[in-house]
Amino acid sequence: KQEVTQIPAALSVPEGENLVLNCSFTDSAIYNLQWFRQDPGKGLTSLLLIQSSQREQTSGRLNASLDKSSGRSTLYIAASQPGDSATYLCALEYSSASKIIFGSGTRLSIRP
Amino acid sequence: DAGVTQSPTHLIKTRGQHVTLRCSPISGHKSVSWYQQVLGQGPQFIFQYYEKEERGRGNFPDRFSARQFPNYSSELNVNALLLGDSALYLCASSLEGGLGEQFFGPGTRLTVL
Repeated sequence: KQEVTQIPAALSVPEGENLVLNCSFTDSAIYNLQWFRQDPGKGLTSLLLIQSSQREQTSGRLNASLDKSSGRSTLYIAASQPGDSATYLCALEYSSASKIIFGSGTRLSIRP
Repeated sequence: DAGVTQSPTHLIKTRGQHVTLRCSPISGHKSVSWYQQVLGQGPQFIFQYYEKEERGRGNFPDRFSARQFPNYSSELNVNALLLGDSALYLCASSLEGGLGEQFFGPGTRLTVL
C-alpha cells in the first residue's frame, strides 16, 4: 500500500531558525514529488517540484531533497519568518496508477 | 491571467441530496484534478481529467463522478450526500496530465447536515 507520512504533525520555532520538515513514503516508484504550502481555509500553493530523476530543488530560502532509496524527502527552510507559518504538505505522483497521494501535513508556526 | 476558479465558495446541503461543484482551469491548461480535504488531513485524490478523458481515479465510491468539458472546465458531482462528505473540495489544473506544476483553486467548502 502506498502511504505518505509527515512527522511532526505540528512544529513551533522562533523566528530566524533554520528548520527541516520531513516526508516519508513506502513505495519508491514515484514519478515526481511536490511540496505545497496551505494557509488556513485556503487552497494550496506549489513550492517545489522534484522529478524522480532529480535529488534536490531550490527556490529562495527553500530547498527540497529527494532520496528514493530511503523513501524520504525533506524541505529545508532557512532563516524562518512569521510569514512562513502555514501547513506544509508533500505529494507524490505514482505513474503506475495515475494516482497522487498527499501526506497529512506539518503545521508550522514561527514565533516572532 | 486569472488563476483557477471554483464555484460556489460555500455550500450547505442535507443528507441524501445531490451537489455539483464547478472548476475553471487556468487558460491553456488541459488537465483538471479534484481532491477532497477533510479538516486536519491532507487532500485525498478523487479524479484527474486530461483532454476530457478520465486519467486517474482515487478510492471514492461511485456516488462521486466528474466530467470535463470542451473548454476544459470541469464539474464534480456527488449523489446521495452523507455527513462524511463534508469537506473542502479542491480543484487543480496543469498544462499536461500528472502532478507537475499543479495550480490549485481556493476550494469549495461543502457542509452536509
